[in-house]
Amino acid sequence: EAGVAQSPRYKIIEKRQSVAFWCNPISGHATLYWYQQILGQGPKLLIQFQNNGVVDDSQLPKDRFSAERLKGVDSTLKIQPAKLEDSAVYLCASSSAVWNQETQYFGPGTRLLVL
Amino acid sequence: DAKTTQPTSMDCAEGRAANLPCNHSTISGNEYVYWYRQIHSQGPQYIIHGLKNNETNEMASLIITEDRKSSTLILPHATLRDTAVYYCIAPEGGTSYGKLTFGQGTILTVHP
Repeated sequence: EAGVAQSPRYKIIEKRQSVAFWCNPISGHATLYWYQQILGQGPKLLIQFQNNGVVDDSQLPKDRFSAERLKGVDSTLKIQPAKLEDSAVYLCASSSAVWNQETQYFGPGTRLLVL
Repeated sequence: DAKTTQPTSMDCAEGRAANLPCNHSTISGNEYVYWYRQIHSQGPQYIIHGLKNNETNEMASLIITEDRKSSTLILPHATLRDTAVYYCIAPEGGTSYGKLTFGQGTILTVHP
């Protein structure tokens, strides 16, 4: 079974530039998550999709971050414009969404450095 | 999520059992306890979860106290590859369906 795929693995940009990350979840997984992990901290949920609908985006900085999951499969997370504090690893995870028993499978992450 | 408390770091000798504790005194009756780990430069990896009974799989064992206020993750024969940050999480049920809130976790170092 193929795991969660993410690209790119690394990205370096200057502040105020735009960047986009792509995630392909495990086949058949209805739920997709984007997390932000700042160095030395645990991952923080940014947004959760159920199929192509948003379940929770309460911690997504909507003035600069956006995400979509067209057709309920792949997802893209965008930052526009980037700030220095956005430097982090962006993790995508997916799950098959069985109530209260779900296991989340994480991708390798995209490491973003904003200069 | 129910608040969990874990030691910041632990050491373990290779080949010995690693016992990682977690306190979750505010856990409610329908909240599971999940354990994930994160090896350096990788995404978190699911280990095990449980509700009331002790659980065992190919990776680890999970011992949950009868009052459900604490649990222990046991890696029976730790190897150097088990060096990682271990997260104990009690996801909130109800409206926070499936949401995981990661704390600081326990840094486990397995040494030769």
